[in-house]
Amino acid sequence: DVKVTQSSRYLVKRTGEKVFLECVQDMDHENMFWYRQDPGLGLRLIYFSYDVKMKEKGDIPEGYSVSREKKERFSLILESASTNQTSMYLCASSLAGREAFFGQGTRLTVV
Amino acid sequence: TQLLEQSPQFLSIQEGENLTVYCNSSSVFSSLQWYRQEPGEGPVLLVTVVTGGEVKKLKRLTFQFGDARKDSSLHITAAQTGDTGLYLCAGEGNAGNMLTFGGGTRLMVKP
Repeated sequence: DVKVTQSSRYLVKRTGEKVFLECVQDMDHENMFWYRQDPGLGLRLIYFSYDVKMKEKGDIPEGYSVSREKKERFSLILESASTNQTSMYLCASSLAGREAFFGQGTRLTVV
Repeated sequence: TQLLEQSPQFLSIQEGENLTVYCNSSSVFSSLQWYRQEPGEGPVLLVTVVTGGEVKKLKRLTFQFGDARKDSSLHITAAQTGDTGLYLCAGEGNAGNMLTFGGGTRLMVKP
């Protein structure tokens, strides 16, 4: 079975902190995605990566950066967390043109 | 950005009723996927439609891809309480591997 693992289910951080959300997949997928999910807004794409060291901005990249040094790992970085970044963050991976497999999500609260 | 609009956003029905959820866009997609998400979990793929006009059935669920590959619908016959969840459509653009999600339809099936 494909497994996408996010490092934390719940996280509470203070405003201004640097936050790292880690995602690991075990199926050698070339594509990896970071979404945030907010009520009424669905899943909004923050960044996606189609290969190691390659990244593309999604719809809402402001305030975020990403790192993909190894194929299996895609990290989302909040350089200086703000309260409006409180959200559910979902990582996904896929092969090109195939279904996306999601992690269980990280619920981040910034206080 | 390729926008996908889902309607309705919320739907509350009685067990046994039929329902249809719509996913519309002004953009053409190379494929369209439907996911179902339960609370506390990531979305899980239900079906992928690729060809314009394609109809796929999954037990009581019928998925249709519009002829122009800009829209899709999900029809559920004789809904059951186990169908309760968030239904998301997602389109894969022609320019690459980016997956764009609609805002979701939250379905509640009451006994």
